[in-house]
Amino acid sequence: AQTVTQSQPEMSVQEAETVTLSCTYDTSESNYYLFWYKQPPSRQMILVIRQEAYKQQNATENRFSVNFQKAAKSFSLKISDSQLGDTAMYFCAFFSTNAGKSTFGDGTTLTVKP
Amino acid sequence: NAGVTQTPKFQVLKTGQSMTLQCAQDMNHNSMYWYRQDPGMGLRLIYYSASEGTTDKGEVPNGYNVSRLNKREFSLRLESAAPSQTSVYFCASSELVRTGGYGYTFGSGTRLTVV
Repeated sequence: AQTVTQSQPEMSVQEAETVTLSCTYDTSESNYYLFWYKQPPSRQMILVIRQEAYKQQNATENRFSVNFQKAAKSFSLKISDSQLGDTAMYFCAFFSTNAGKSTFGDGTTLTVKP
Repeated sequence: NAGVTQTPKFQVLKTGQSMTLQCAQDMNHNSMYWYRQDPGMGLRLIYYSASEGTTDKGEVPNGYNVSRLNKREFSLRLESAAPSQTSVYFCASSELVRTGGYGYTFGSGTRLTVV
């Protein structure tokens, strides 16, 4: 079974600064996908960014980028130019193509301060 | 709007009561999932359906049953609610089991309280 660990329960950052959220995972699979989801106070879960395990190039989506280290089983999320609307809980998730389902970390609550 | 629709958004039950959470998606996705979210914890998988006509247990299936009514709808039933089932429940869908790399589309969640 896969496990996903987010070691930072809470983080804060000043508006316009950069912050990195950490995620590590454990798996014996070679083909899988990794995701970051955002959950603002509205409770709605929103897909932020995805990474395919067989691609070495790190994914980017506007101000969001990842640092994917497959050998280290690490998948961190970098948010540049932080905005107040980035305040949310962020979940790292591992999707197993063998099992056809995702395992989620416990989340990191990010607060962006003005 | 296209997406995943969950009903109800809020519900309070008494211990021992039963209820069904409804979920419907209009994106023609094959796979559907039910997760629960407890405070301080991530989402834990209750049941999932890889395709119409199939269902499988997830990490925490005890006390729940599911029905994949058709390709669009996937319901979650609590037969005899217990306070330990107080949680926020999310339904999600994805295109295909083996190509779930496009990620999940989530419903807005149901906050269930069992007293």
